[in-house]
Amino acid sequence: KAGVTQTPRYLIKTRGQQVTLSCSPISGHRSVSWYQQTPGQGLQFLFEYFSETQRNKGNFPGRFSGRQFSNSRSEMNVSTLELGDSALYLCASSFGGPNYGYTFGSGTRLTVV
Amino acid sequence: GENVEQHPSTLSVQEGDSAVIKCTYSDSASNYFPWYKQELGKGPQLIIDIRSNVGEKKDQRIAVTLNKTAKHFSLHITETQPEDSAVYFCAASMDTGRRALTFGSGTRLQVQP
Repeated sequence: KAGVTQTPRYLIKTRGQQVTLSCSPISGHRSVSWYQQTPGQGLQFLFEYFSETQRNKGNFPGRFSGRQFSNSRSEMNVSTLELGDSALYLCASSFGGPNYGYTFGSGTRLTVV
Repeated sequence: GENVEQHPSTLSVQEGDSAVIKCTYSDSASNYFPWYKQELGKGPQLIIDIRSNVGEKKDQRIAVTLNKTAKHFSLHITETQPEDSAVYFCAASMDTGRRALTFGSGTRLQVQP
């Protein structure tokens, strides 16, 4: 079966711009989580959506936002990009209840110049 | 919040040897502990997980042990093979549907042929 699909794979943006990243979860999965991966901070939780509702949020500024659509696809948006936002952004999906693990996508590599 | 420490940061073993990676966590409410393997250019892949009602879990050459009293858990890989070379991450969270994983800093495992 198809895995978690993230688009685009690579992105270069300029400071001050905004960016939207997309994630298509595994069919049947209703929970989508987003993580930021950087060499300095490692893997950090951004937020989690289930049935179009944000259920959990990490410690990131309000410039980072997300949403989930009725088909469980999710997008995350970063506004007013800063150099420090350069990172690999990973999406993970799950059925959404306990006893289920997360499956990660390959990520979107964002470079802010 | 939860804090997960992981050791060692790098580990080099000969093919056929065993490898052990250790993690400690701080939040006694955490009861779900997954391990992920990340290869270059890919997202983290769930390789095994354990819940706090179990002390040990095995899956072929991989095993995980959990000591809730001491708040530490370990990944054991036996009969290592070159394809085991990757970065391994431990994580901890509460085992609810809305879990937010807190990751360790990662261990780069290199298996020498």
